[in-house]
Amino acid sequence: AQSVTQLDSQVPVFEEAPVELRCNYSSSVSVYLFWYVQYPNQGLQLLLKYLSGSTLVKGINGFEAEFNKSQTSFHLRKPSVHISDTAEYFCAVSQGGSEKLVFGKGTKLTVNP
Amino acid sequence: GAVVSQHPSWVICKSGTSVKIECRSLDFQATTMFWYRQFPKQSLMLMATSNEGSKATYEQGVEKDKFLINHASLTLSTLTVTSAHPEDSSFYICSAPRGVRPGDTQYFGPGTRLTVL
Repeated sequence: AQSVTQLDSQVPVFEEAPVELRCNYSSSVSVYLFWYVQYPNQGLQLLLKYLSGSTLVKGINGFEAEFNKSQTSFHLRKPSVHISDTAEYFCAVSQGGSEKLVFGKGTKLTVNP
Repeated sequence: GAVVSQHPSWVICKSGTSVKIECRSLDFQATTMFWYRQFPKQSLMLMATSNEGSKATYEQGVEKDKFLINHASLTLSTLTVTSAHPEDSSFYICSAPRGVRPGDTQYFGPGTRLTVL
C-alpha cells in the first residue's frame, strides 16, 4: 500500500528566507506526485504535480519540487517566501493508472515578518 | 480555473439524525468525484469514489450504509451521513478531477464541517 510521510508538521520561517517542505512516499509501482496548498477556509489548490519527464517541476507562486526516485522523495522548495505563503501544505501520491490520492498529514508553514 | 463547491459549509445536528452534503462542479463535468474525511491535524482520508450513473466504491473500513453516496448528475454528488453520532463529527471534503486520465488535476471543495451533538 502507498503511504506519504511529511516529516515536519510545522515549519516557521522568516519572510524572504528559503524554505523546503519534505515529503517521502512508499510505493512499489510508478506513481504520480502532487503538492496541494490549503489556505484558511479554502479548498485545496494544486501547486504542482509530477507525472513523468523532467524531475524538476515548477508550480505556481514560485514553488518547485524535485522528484527523486532513488530516495522516494518529492520535496517542495521556494527560494524566498512571503507572508502570504502561510498555509497548510499537503503532499499526495497516486499510483500510476489510478485517480485515487493518498495524502500526507500536512505541513503548516508560517511565514513571520 | 475550475471550481468545486460544497453545501453546507458547516452543519450541527442531533445524534440520530441524517445530514446531506452536496458537492458540485460548477464549470466542468465530472463522471467521478471523491469524498474525503479529515480529522484535526491529520491528513485527508479517502472514504469513497462517487461514480455518475453507478454505485459508489467505498474504501476499506468505510460503512457504505452509513455514508450514502449518490452521483445524480455529471455536476453533483451527495454524501448523506445517516443516523449520525458524535464520532461522525469531522471535516468532509469532496474533489472532482477535470478530465478522465489519471494525473488530471483534481479540484477540491472548501469542505463541510459536521458537528454531531
